[in-house]
Amino acid sequence: NAGVMQNPRHLVRRRGQEARLRCSPMKGHSHVYWYRQLPEEGLKFMVYLQKENIIDESGMPKERFSAEFPKEGPSILRIQQVVRGDSAAYFCASSPQAGETQYFGPGTRLLVL
Amino acid sequence: GENVEQHPSTLSVQEGDSAVIKCTYSDSASNYFPWYKQELGKGPQLIIDIRSNVGEKKDQRIAVTLNKTAKHFSLHITETQPEDSAVYFCAASFSSGGYNKLIFGAGTRLAVHP
Repeated sequence: NAGVMQNPRHLVRRRGQEARLRCSPMKGHSHVYWYRQLPEEGLKFMVYLQKENIIDESGMPKERFSAEFPKEGPSILRIQQVVRGDSAAYFCASSPQAGETQYFGPGTRLLVL
Repeated sequence: GENVEQHPSTLSVQEGDSAVIKCTYSDSASNYFPWYKQELGKGPQLIIDIRSNVGEKKDQRIAVTLNKTAKHFSLHITETQPEDSAVYFCAASFSSGGYNKLIFGAGTRLAVHP
């Protein structure tokens, strides 16, 4: 049973470009969570999604950031018009049910030049 | 509000010694407390978790204790080894909008010296 998969593992963008981060949850998991981790800091919750629904986006900036988890395919975290402050590691986690154990992927490290 | 405090932020021990990391949480309704280990360049890995209906759980060299009255829980690692060196995060569940959200502590960087 493959774990949570994220790609790309590393992403370099110039200011103003778009970043697309993908997350495939563990098999059988329909709940996906995105977190951001700045260097030497903890994990900050961004958004929680179930298939085709955003359940909680309270941690995601209102502008430039969006997330989706379509019926088919991976969950996507999209950052438009990236700025240097967006540079961070973005982790995706999945769980079989809400409130159950969350399993993390290896993360995508975004660097904005 | 929702808050998890974790101490210490850094911990240095000699190989073979024990290490203890403590966390406190703000919501008395929290009922799930996982601990994650994050090695450099990797994602957090679940190492042990505990639910509010038990006070202690042990898995080989790792144990977690929970004091619901005081709203704190601790991670205990015995007979530490160099490969235990990593950043450890505690988390607590908070009920939000009908589901349980995990709030993480700021992390503890553990260094085990041979």
